Amino acid sequence: DQQVKQNSPSLSVQEGRISILNCDYTNSMFDYFLWYKKYPAEGPTFLISISSIKDKNEDGRFTVFLNKSAKHLSLHIVPSQPGDSAVYFCASYSGGYQKVTFGTGTKLQVIP
Amino acid sequence: DTAVSQTPKYLVTQMGNDKSIKCEQNLGHDTMYWYKQDSKKFLKIMFSYNNKELIINETVPNRFSPKSPDKAHLNLHINSLELGDSAVYFCASSRISTGSGYTFGSGTRLTVV
Repeated sequence: DQQVKQNSPSLSVQEGRISILNCDYTNSMFDYFLWYKKYPAEGPTFLISISSIKDKNEDGRFTVFLNKSAKHLSLHIVPSQPGDSAVYFCASYSGGYQKVTFGTGTKLQVIP
Repeated sequence: DTAVSQTPKYLVTQMGNDKSIKCEQNLGHDTMYWYKQDSKKFLKIMFSYNNKELIINETVPNRFSPKSPDKAHLNLHINSLELGDSAVYFCASSRISTGSGYTFGSGTRLTVV
C-alpha cells in the first residue's frame, strides 16, 4: 500500500530551466508534506515543507505547490543548477509523532 | 561536527551473525528513528523513540531490536542476519513540532553474504 507515489523515476533538465517534480498521495489525513534531497552515499536532507492548510510555500529557488483536491504536490526549482542533481523524495505525515511516509524518489539530472 | 552520526558506515557480515548499528545525535532533538532503504529504494520507517520511549514499531521481524539508552542515542541490534536484511539503514532525529523535517544520518550499508 504505497501512500506516497512519485511516478517519474528520473528527470533531465537544462541548466537555467525549470525543474518540476511531481508527487501524488492517497491518504487524505496527511497534515504536512515535505521534500528531501539526497546525494549518493549521504542521508536525505530536508528541503522544504508545506502544511495542508496552504497551497504554496516558497524558499528561494524552491517552491512547493499543494493541490489537496487532486491529492497532488509538486516541487519547482527555478533556475535549475547542476548542483541540484540528486534524488528528490516526496514525503508526508499526519499526527504529532511524525511517522513520515516517503515516495520512491525522482532522480534529477541538471545538464550544464 | 556531525549532527546525526551512524557507525559503521559499511557492514559486511555472514548470514546468522548478530550485529549492531549505533546512532547518536547532538541536535537536542527528542525523537529518533530508524529507516530502511531496500534495493527498490523504498524508505520505510522501522522504529521511532521519543525521549527513550518506543512510539512507532512497524511490522519488523523480532530479530530487530532498537535500544535507546538516552534521548541522544538510538541503536539497532539485529540477530540472526538473513540475506534479505541487506539494505541501507538510516537513522534520523527530529523535534516533535509541526512542519519540521528529519535530520538524517549518512546511512549504514549492510551486506549479508
